[in-house]
Amino acid sequence: EDQVTQSPEALRLQEGESSSLNCSYTVSGLRGLFWYRQDPGKGPEFLFTLYSAGEEKEKERLKATLTKKESFLHITAPKPEDSATYLCAVQARDSSYKLIFGSGTRLLVRP
Amino acid sequence: KAGVTQTPRYLIKTRGQQVTLSCSPISGHRSVSWYQQTPGQGLQFLFEYFSETQRNKGNFPGRFSGRQFSNSRSEMNVSTLELGDSALYLCASSPRTERTGELFFGEGSRLTVL
Repeated sequence: EDQVTQSPEALRLQEGESSSLNCSYTVSGLRGLFWYRQDPGKGPEFLFTLYSAGEEKEKERLKATLTKKESFLHITAPKPEDSATYLCAVQARDSSYKLIFGSGTRLLVRP
Repeated sequence: KAGVTQTPRYLIKTRGQQVTLSCSPISGHRSVSWYQQTPGQGLQFLFEYFSETQRNKGNFPGRFSGRQFSNSRSEMNVSTLELGDSALYLCASSPRTERTGELFFGEGSRLTVL
């Protein structure tokens, strides 16, 4: 069964304190792995797509990497506005285009 | 350009009632997906519509249904509501190109069942 597990569930950082979020996945053929950010009361906002092991994507203070079993979202020198829930999702290489989401990591960055 | 619009944003129903939620995708987007988000189960796929046809359906009972109109707008319906149906229902659209995992989500319809 396709599955996504994210850790930690919650993470508290001081402003400027870099860290990484983990996303482990099991999927029968990966079409793509996706990172989303969700603010309270809002829908998820797309951040990155990764398609194959070794691929990396960067956007401002965020960098996403992918291996054959997991993905990391590295946050460098975070700011309070980076506080949000970060969701990881996979899409299997089958006829379905559905996303299978992990439960997310709640990130709080304190000033 | 305008984002995905969902109505209503909040609603309260009682057990046994039915509810219809509406979604207007981004102009030009032909694929609309629906997801249920709860604290316990997270985000779970309900169904996807493309060109007025349901392409995929998640593991939800038949009480959950939907449709898509010729202008790509979509509705989902939940009949005989149960307490466990209380959730945030999210609609997402995409142009249904090769980057189909890049979804644009609305802000959701928060349903409370009493």
